[in-house]
Parts: sequence; C-alpha cells; structure tokens
Amino acid sequence: KAGVTQTPRYLIKTRGQQVTLSCSPISGHRSVSWYQQTPGQGLQFLFEYFSETQRNKGNFPGRFSGRQFSNSRSEMNVSTLELGDSALYLCASSSGAPLSGNTIYFGEGSWLTVV
Amino acid sequence: AQTVTQSQPEMSVQEAETVTLSCTYDTSESDYYLFWYKQPPSRQMILVIRQEAYKQQNATENRFSVNFQKAAKSFSLKISDSQLGDAAMYFCAYRSDGKTYQLIWGAGTKLIIKP
Repeated sequence: KAGVTQTPRYLIKTRGQQVTLSCSPISGHRSVSWYQQTPGQGLQFLFEYFSETQRNKGNFPGRFSGRQFSNSRSEMNVSTLELGDSALYLCASSSGAPLSGNTIYFGEGSWLTVV
Repeated sequence: AQTVTQSQPEMSVQEAETVTLSCTYDTSESDYYLFWYKQPPSRQMILVIRQEAYKQQNATENRFSVNFQKAAKSFSLKISDSQLGDAAMYFCAYRSDGKTYQLIWGAGTKLIIKP
C-alpha cells in the first residue's frame, strides 16, 4: 500500500512568485492536513481537509490556501512568496473523520526554498 | 490554547543503553491524545508511540515506552537498548479528542547515539 506522496520534493522559487504543492493521501484516507516546518518556528499547522471541506485552519496569512479534491488529493498554494516561506511542507493523511484516534501518516515533505 | 514543551534540545546516549526524553504539555481538556514522532534525516515523520489520555496504562511499543502522568501533564519517552538507527529528532505532539486531526508540536529533541 503506497504511503502519503508529496510532489514536488524540492523546488526553488523567487520572491513574489507563487507555488503549488501536491499531496496524495494513502488510498482510502479522506482526511489531509498540512504543516510547515522551519528551524525558527518549528512545526506549525496550516490547514486540515476532510471530504473536500476545510475543517480547521492555522494562523497563517491569506497567501496560504489549500483545497481537497473528490479523490482526496490535496493541494496547497502560497502566493506572493516571501523569503520566510522557505520551509519543509509536510502533508499527513488519516482515514475517516477525526472522531477517533486514527493514526496520522506523514509524507516525506516538499522542500521549498525562496530566493 | 494547548502547548507542548520539550526542554531538552539535544540528548546523547551510548548504544545499548537507556535514554528518557521529556515532554510536558498544558491543556484544559480532559480527553486528548499524545504522541511521540521520530524524524530521521529523511524528514519523514514516523509515529513511535501514542497514548490516549483516558487510559491509565502507559503505552509500550517494543523498546519504546512512555511514562504518562496526567495530573502532572507529563509525557516522557523511554528508549531501551538504544540502537544507532534510533538517532533522529523526536517530537512530542498533542491532539484534541474528536475535533480535529491537528497536532500541536513540541520543539523537538535531537537524539544522538554514541557507538
């Protein structure tokens, strides 16, 4: 069974550009969450989706957005990139709604460097 | 709001010995989950062990065990018979029960294994 797949794994963008990151959850999983990991701020929650609906959102500016498709794949977009957006972006998936302690599985992340 | 604190930025242990990583948290909730995740150099988050707050018994997974003290809001991880492959960043994380898959993370502890 394939794990959580994130693409691209590495990318370099210029300030002011936008970027789209993709996440394919484990087959059958309907919940996807995104996290940003930086040396300074650590791991911070971005947003969470279940069945194409955003269920929860972290404290990030509106430049950060996401969506989930009917096949549970998710994308996140960052517009008008800033140097501080350089980070590892982690995607996680879980089965079902967050009603129980379903295990959360992570992808290997997408490394974004903004120059 | 919930917070998670890991006060040990780095720990080192001799191979085959035992090491304990500390984690404290703050919450007003009575039902929640606690996790330890391992992040090796590949950066993929790997679940080590989980604990449901309503369970008094401490969780155990092979060489990994926790000391869960609910009243003290403490959740330490003990690694027995440390192996070179245990070298990684270890993160303590908190999740509310039934509302969201959002994880609130500690700052992490870098574990070094000395051969």
